[in-house]
This record gives sequence, C-alpha cells and structure tokens, in this order.
Amino acid sequence: EADIYQTPRYLVIGTGKKITLECSQTMGHDKMYWYQQDPGMELHLIHYSYGVNSTEKGDLSSESTVSRIRTEHFPLTLESARPSHTSQYLCASSLQGYGYTFGSGTRLTVV
Amino acid sequence: SQQGEEDPQALSIQEGENATMNCSYKTSINNLQWYRQNSGRGLVHLILIRSNEREKHSGRLRVTLDTSKKSSSLLITASRAADTASYFCATGPYNTDKLIFGTGTRLQVFP
Repeated sequence: EADIYQTPRYLVIGTGKKITLECSQTMGHDKMYWYQQDPGMELHLIHYSYGVNSTEKGDLSSESTVSRIRTEHFPLTLESARPSHTSQYLCASSLQGYGYTFGSGTRLTVV
Repeated sequence: SQQGEEDPQALSIQEGENATMNCSYKTSINNLQWYRQNSGRGLVHLILIRSNEREKHSGRLRVTLDTSKKSSSLLITASRAADTASYFCATGPYNTDKLIFGTGTRLQVFP
C-alpha cells in the first residue's frame, strides 16, 4: 500500500484559476519529486526537493512552483492555469540509493 | 533529451509466454531501475540494479545490466494477464538522486 498521497485525483478547472496539487508522504523521506506525464508518454521531472526549504527546478521547464516547509508535504501550485497545463502530475519520494515511491497522480484538465 | 530509450514500444503476448523489454541509456549511471504503470495510475517500483551488478532476480522478474553497452533488459517469465501495463526503465546518473525515465514499453498479455 502506497504511503504517498496525492489529492485531488482528478481536477477540471477553468483557465486563469489558481490551483494547488497536494502531495504528502508518511515515510519520512527527505527527497521528493514532481513529474509531468502526458497520456502514453514519458515522464518529465519538473521539480524536486532534497529536504525542508530545498527546492529545485527539474529538466522540463514548468510555470508551476513548489514549496517544502515540512518534510512530509510537497505541494505544487499553478498561479494561473492554462489549457497547456492539462496533463497528469505524479509526485514521488525516495531515500538515497533506493527506488521511488509514487503517488497515484493528479489528472488535471484546464478548460 | 531523455536518457533512456526502450524497445519495443509495444508488445503483445499470450499468457504463459515470456516478455522481454530492453532499455538503452546514454551516460554513466549509479543504478538502473524498472517501474510498472497501470493505465492512468502512478508508477510502482519493481527492481533496482546497481552499476556494479550484472543480473538481478525478483520473483518472475529478471533484470540484466551491461554497462559497457549502456543497456538493460527486463524479462518477465510466465506472463499473466495482470502483467498488462507500461514498463519504464529509469537511470540514476552519478552525483544525483534524480531519475531519468525512458519512453516505456506497453505490454499487453492476452488470456
């Protein structure tokens, strides 16, 4: 059973709205990640964090922002959603040298 | 560009047959990992093989790694309909815990 939780599972929202995708883990992992994945496509790293107050941009440029105020919480925010943001967003966490644990993802649709 | 390329892109087999998927990568790595993703869900970690290992087993899974050829293979023996999913390889480059995912292989196992 996964110990990393993403909410909401699905979100349909209008253009221009501010949204926050939640990600929480109960495993005490220092490292957390956000990936973006279009249907049937590869994953692209958009943000990562190696601990509290540490955030970095990933390999794929994204208009989203993240914060890491607590170890267990790594929310992703879009200040003004656009149709081009429509995608699946996957959160993951890990311990150094071990595999990632992924959440179930948030499927975002911006209309 | 993405680190990993997988082939085939899609594979259809009958239950009981073996499935083999291949992954090639470009740079030196600490480890290589395989993940499974059921449609529309998050990824599940299957197996991690370190750069100094050549072969690893986990249940019906067998992973090989050839660092001289920068390639890996995942073998699923005696496949089942429940193995139907997308399978991704992911590489962990040196000096980073970021994973770079391949393009994935879509496996369909027919009963």
